[in-house]
Amino acid sequence: AQTVTQSQPEMSVQEAETVTLSCTYDTSENNYYLFWYKQPPSRQMILVIRQEAYKQQNATENRFSVNFQKAAKSFSLKISDSQLGDTAMYFCAFMKRGADGLTFGKGTHLIIQP
Amino acid sequence: DAGVIQSPRHEVTEMGQEVTLRCKPISGHDYLFWYRQTMMRGLELLIYFNNNVPIDDSGMPEDRFSAKMPNASFSTLKIQPSEPRDSAVYFCASSTDRRGYGYTFGSGTRLTVV
Repeated sequence: AQTVTQSQPEMSVQEAETVTLSCTYDTSENNYYLFWYKQPPSRQMILVIRQEAYKQQNATENRFSVNFQKAAKSFSLKISDSQLGDTAMYFCAFMKRGADGLTFGKGTHLIIQP
Repeated sequence: DAGVIQSPRHEVTEMGQEVTLRCKPISGHDYLFWYRQTMMRGLELLIYFNNNVPIDDSGMPEDRFSAKMPNASFSTLKIQPSEPRDSAVYFCASSTDRRGYGYTFGSGTRLTVV
């Protein structure tokens, strides 16, 4: 079974700063996918970024980028030029190839201060 | 597309009552998932369907929980009888394939059992 660990229950940074959220996972699989989801107070789960394990290049989506270290089983999310609207819970998730369910970490509550 | 649609958004019921949660997936998505979110356990996969057929229900906590997908555009999650420990947010999600593309969540149903 896979496990996903997010070691930072809560983080707080000033607007416009850069922040990095940590995620580690444990798996014996070689082919899998990793995700970061954002959950604002509205409760909606929003996909932020997706990474395929066989790709060495780190995924980026505008202000969001990841640092994927496969050997270390680490998948951190970097948010540049943070904005007030980035305040939310952030969940790291794992999905092994050929399976369909996501395994989530417990989440990090990110607060962007004005 | 209106996205994944869940109803009701909130449900309050008394212990022992039957509760039915509803989900309409995105048209054309072959996979449908039910997740439960609690403070203690985080987000957990309960069951998922492929082409209306249940594939894996190992996450369903007890026999009191049942899920059906009578057609490609509708699924239900039923709890009978409900208990206070079933209080949680229940999410439905749908996707197009087994690589996590287009994996989209609904807005969730917050269930409170008193």
